[in-house]
Amino acid sequence: GQSLEQPSEVTAVEGAIVQINCTYQTSGFYGLSWYQQHDGGAPTFLSYNALDGLEETGRFSSFLSRSDSYGYLLLQELQMKDSASYFCAVRDRRTGGFKTIFGAGTRLFVKA
Amino acid sequence: GAVVSQHPSRVICKSGTSVKIECRSLDFQATTMFWYRQFPKKSLMLMATSNEGSKATYEQGVEKDKFLINHASLTLSTLTVTSAHPEDSSFYICSARDLGLEQYFGPGTRLTVT
Repeated sequence: GQSLEQPSEVTAVEGAIVQINCTYQTSGFYGLSWYQQHDGGAPTFLSYNALDGLEETGRFSSFLSRSDSYGYLLLQELQMKDSASYFCAVRDRRTGGFKTIFGAGTRLFVKA
Repeated sequence: GAVVSQHPSRVICKSGTSVKIECRSLDFQATTMFWYRQFPKKSLMLMATSNEGSKATYEQGVEKDKFLINHASLTLSTLTVTSAHPEDSSFYICSARDLGLEQYFGPGTRLTVT
C-alpha cells in the first residue's frame, strides 16, 4: 500500500518562512504534489515534483528527494490568507494507470 | 487551466433516498476520473477510479453497490449514493485527468443526509 506522513499542524507569523515536510512510502512512486485547501473549499493544486530538486513558483517552492522518499513545501513571506490545510500527495503508478493518494494534511495557522 | 465542475454543490436528502452527483470536465476530455470523500478536517480519501466506458475500480473498503459510478462519456462521470444514511454525509470531490496526466479537481459536493 501507500503511506504519507506530514505534521498535523504548524503555526507561524506573518512574513515568516515555513517548511512543511512529507515522507512517503509507495511501490509505484511517480511524483509528489502539493495542494492547498481552505475550509469549506476544494483542494487547489500548488506544485508537482517528479524529479529530485527544487521547484519554485512565486512564494511557494517544493522540493523532492526520491532517494530519501521525502519532500517539502516551503512558503515564504507568509500572509494571513495562507492559513489553510496543505496536503502532500503521491502520484502512484498502478496497473491500468495512475492515481493520487493524499496525506493527512497539515493545518497552517498564520498569526499577525 | 482546465476546469472541472460538479453538480450539485450542496444537497440535503432524507435517509433512505439516493443522490446523484455529476462531475464534468468542461474544456478537456478526461479518460479517467477519480472520486474522493473528505470528512471534516480530514484528508481526501480515494473512493474509486473511473475509466470511460468501463467499470470503476473501487478502493478497499468502499462498497461498490452503495456508491455507483458511471463514466458514460469522456466529459462526464456520475456518483450515485444509494440508500443514503447520515453516516454518508460528507464532502465528495471528483477529479479528472487529461492525456497529459494532470489531475484537476472539481469544487466538491457537500452531502447532508438527515
